[in-house]
Amino acid sequence: EPEVTQTPSHQVTQMGQEVILRCVPISNHLYFYWYRQILGQKVEFLVSFYNNEISEKSEIFDDQFSVERPDGSNFTLKIRSTKLEDSAMYFCASRAYSGRGRVPYNSPLHFGNGTRLTVT
Amino acid sequence: ELKVEQNPLFLSMQEGKNYTIYCNYSTTSDRLYWYRQDPGKSLESLFVLLSNGAVKQEGRLMASLDTKARLSTLHITAAVHDLSATYFCAVSHTKVGRADKLIFGTGTRLQVFP
Repeated sequence: EPEVTQTPSHQVTQMGQEVILRCVPISNHLYFYWYRQILGQKVEFLVSFYNNEISEKSEIFDDQFSVERPDGSNFTLKIRSTKLEDSAMYFCASRAYSGRGRVPYNSPLHFGNGTRLTVT
Repeated sequence: ELKVEQNPLFLSMQEGKNYTIYCNYSTTSDRLYWYRQDPGKSLESLFVLLSNGAVKQEGRLMASLDTKARLSTLHITAAVHDLSATYFCAVSHTKVGRADKLIFGTGTRLQVFP
């Protein structure tokens, strides 16, 4: 069964450094998402992406964050200058396209295995 | 702002017993999802509920949706140890022509013991 792939599985970085988290969504999916989960806490929405642009972003997704789909297969999340509080598990997700210009709500979001980001 | 709350937050139950997890949400939505997460793992989709009165069952788990009450339930029948995990409900919020966003509940950590 196709799956969402994320790399690396664990990233350790120093405060103030830039990090790029990479995701390869399922190949025929056109809606993409990033979520994060601080250890033991709930899953928080960061950003959704469709048709080569951000659809919606949360308050967490400030100017330090950006997303890109550079080559039609990868979907990346960049944090420009990491802070200690950015330490979390970051999940990429994708959803199928219904072909009718509408989100196929009967299809769930498919999540990757996550990247654990540790900022020291 | 859409808020999603679950209760209980933590549930310890004996094998063979039944229990229900509740998910309340604050604004109108007719799309609700249940996910399972094992420790240190990803989120696995369990159910997608699309309309008022929807009921879906898979094995020992049954989910229902009441959009008028803004309530979904996840019922566990005759629990077994393999069901130990954290269960999240998520409610969809969308704007026309855009990708939606799922807002997750607080999660219910379920532990099933012999």
